[in-house]
This record gives sequence, C-alpha cells and structure tokens, in this order.
Amino acid sequence: DAKTTQPNSMESNEEEPVHLPCNHSTISGTDYIHWYRQLPSQGPEYVIHGLTSNVNNRMASLAIAEDRKSSTLILHRATLRDAAVYYCISQTDKLIFGTGTRLQVFP
Amino acid sequence: DAMVIQNPRYQVTQFGKPVTLSCSQTLNHNVMYWYQQKSSQAPKLLFHYYDKDFNNEADTPDNFQSRRPNTSFCFLDIRSPGLGDAAMYLCATSSHWPLGNQPQHFGDGTRLSIL
Repeated sequence: DAKTTQPNSMESNEEEPVHLPCNHSTISGTDYIHWYRQLPSQGPEYVIHGLTSNVNNRMASLAIAEDRKSSTLILHRATLRDAAVYYCISQTDKLIFGTGTRLQVFP
Repeated sequence: DAMVIQNPRYQVTQFGKPVTLSCSQTLNHNVMYWYQQKSSQAPKLLFHYYDKDFNNEADTPDNFQSRRPNTSFCFLDIRSPGLGDAAMYLCATSSHWPLGNQPQHFGDGTRLSIL
C-alpha cells in the first residue's frame, strides 16, 4: 500500500490561509490522493481528492506536485470549525489512514 | 438527507460478553466498511462488504465478525470483547469498489466501553 507522511501538528490563526503538506513518494500512477478530516467526536469527513491536476471545491483546494510525490491541502481562510485532524491518503482500492496532521486554529 | 447512521453512539458491555454494533445507510451504496479507532490513533480498517461479498483485512482478529443482511444494514459482532477492544467503531460506505475517485461517507461512530 502507498504510504503518506504528514507533520504531526500545525497551527494557524483564524482568517489566515493554511497549507497542509503531504508526501507520498511511493504513489503509483493509478492512486488517487484523498484528503479527509475528523472533527472531535465525529467520523471522518471527505474534503477533496485528485489524481494529477489541481482541484478546487467549496471546502478547500488541492495542489498536486508535477511528479505526484507530494501534495498540499489549502484552506483559504481558516475558521475555528476547521480545527481537526487532517488525513492525506494515497490509494486506489480502499482508504488506509496514516497518522494525520492535527490542525489548531486560534482566534 | 442521505446518510450513514450508527446506533447507539455509546455502548457499554462486560468483558467477554458478546456485543453487536449496527450501521444503516440511506445512500444505497454497494460497499460498507467497518473501522476501529482507538484513542489518539487513526481509523484502522477491519473489513468491508462489496454487496454480499465479505472481505476481511489480514490482521483483523477472529473475534470480530460482520453481517450484512441487506443493502441498508451492516452489523459488527464482537464475540468476546476484551479490554483492548474498547474503541470508537466507525461505519462507512462508498458507491463502488475499488474506491478509486469516489468518496467514502462515514457515520459518527459508536464508542464502545468494556467493563
């Protein structure tokens, strides 16, 4: 299974952009890059996914490196509600969660 | 709204007493998953059903079983819970298998405590 590496934790101030990095150096050509987040006492929530091109949706943007060995989840304006553990997963058939990045957002 | 529902949110059982956790979905998805999440850890996939086909992860203990009587419902059975099985159990669905570019939809989990 492809593996991902993320920083254990990151901090941001409210209203500021947040860039959450992820390394997936062993990704195969058919693996999608998925991002999920988990708020306290809730199940994981889908954020965004991509294959080769950068992607945007109402929650976030996903920037994928040209060699696909890394990606960055971008929250354009962090809110207190964005405080969560963010999981980056590179996989084709099923989601195998890594340790994730715990994002703290300060008022 | 279509969703994945897990009941109850909190379940307490005794050491060694069988317990069943339930999950239902209104998404009409073909695939249902069960994950175990221990405190401060990432969710760990136990098994999944693709329609009626059961697929066990290699390292899932035999103590954990599952049933899917129909498309909407899936159950997690723990035959003889030990203290180490105390965790949050998460149910998820997806429209097809392999997952590919489809998102998974998660319930909010059942937190299991063992006395």
